[in-house]
Amino acid sequence: GQQLNQSPQSMFIQEGEDVSMNCTSSSIFNTWLWYKQEPGEGPVLLIALYKAGELTSNGRLTAQFGITRKDSFLNISASIPSDVGIYFCAGRTEGVQFYFGTGTSLTVIP
Amino acid sequence: GAVVSQHPSRVICKSGTSVKIECRSLDFQATTMFWYRQFPKQSLMLMATSNEGSKATYEQGVEKDKFLINHASLTLSTLTVTSAHPEDSSFYICSAIYSIGEKLFFGSGTQLSVL
Repeated sequence: GQQLNQSPQSMFIQEGEDVSMNCTSSSIFNTWLWYKQEPGEGPVLLIALYKAGELTSNGRLTAQFGITRKDSFLNISASIPSDVGIYFCAGRTEGVQFYFGTGTSLTVIP
Repeated sequence: GAVVSQHPSRVICKSGTSVKIECRSLDFQATTMFWYRQFPKQSLMLMATSNEGSKATYEQGVEKDKFLINHASLTLSTLTVTSAHPEDSSFYICSAIYSIGEKLFFGSGTQLSVL
């Protein structure tokens, strides 16, 4: 199935720094979702986006639905050690199937 | 958010045996559930789409006779790995569509180890 381009693949940052990651697609999506996955666990939903240009926050996390509907961005402000994990984007077109990004592995150095 | 329960979280079995993994939507009805396989440090690989009351739709390359999926109710889908072999060892995850808000919620995953 289609896989979304997600970047960067990995990030090593100092505690307190801000983080930015993005997903791009060749297709137009109607829904963008962002997840965090920790080792040995399933992905946990962080933010859901449904309209082009939509900007939604969840605590220190902010995500945006790109106006072209082919991309989405996730920002984490003032990172803390517990932000460590793999972040995935997911997009949905007209059908029920969701497509996933390749993941961004985040390491926060205290 | 809506809760998806997956059981067991970890299973170790002998080669040749079958293993059943359950995926339940605890507080909502899920017409559609998905089953994925995930290798270490990789993204989710969709195996099949499970639809309540009908046959599952398998992705190309996934053996339907090897990975049996049953979605007999609106809150339960099961994946049975038949005659498991060491190469079937992997992390298996299910998800369910929460229709209100069109969100996708995941189970906690099952680590299968076949000896």
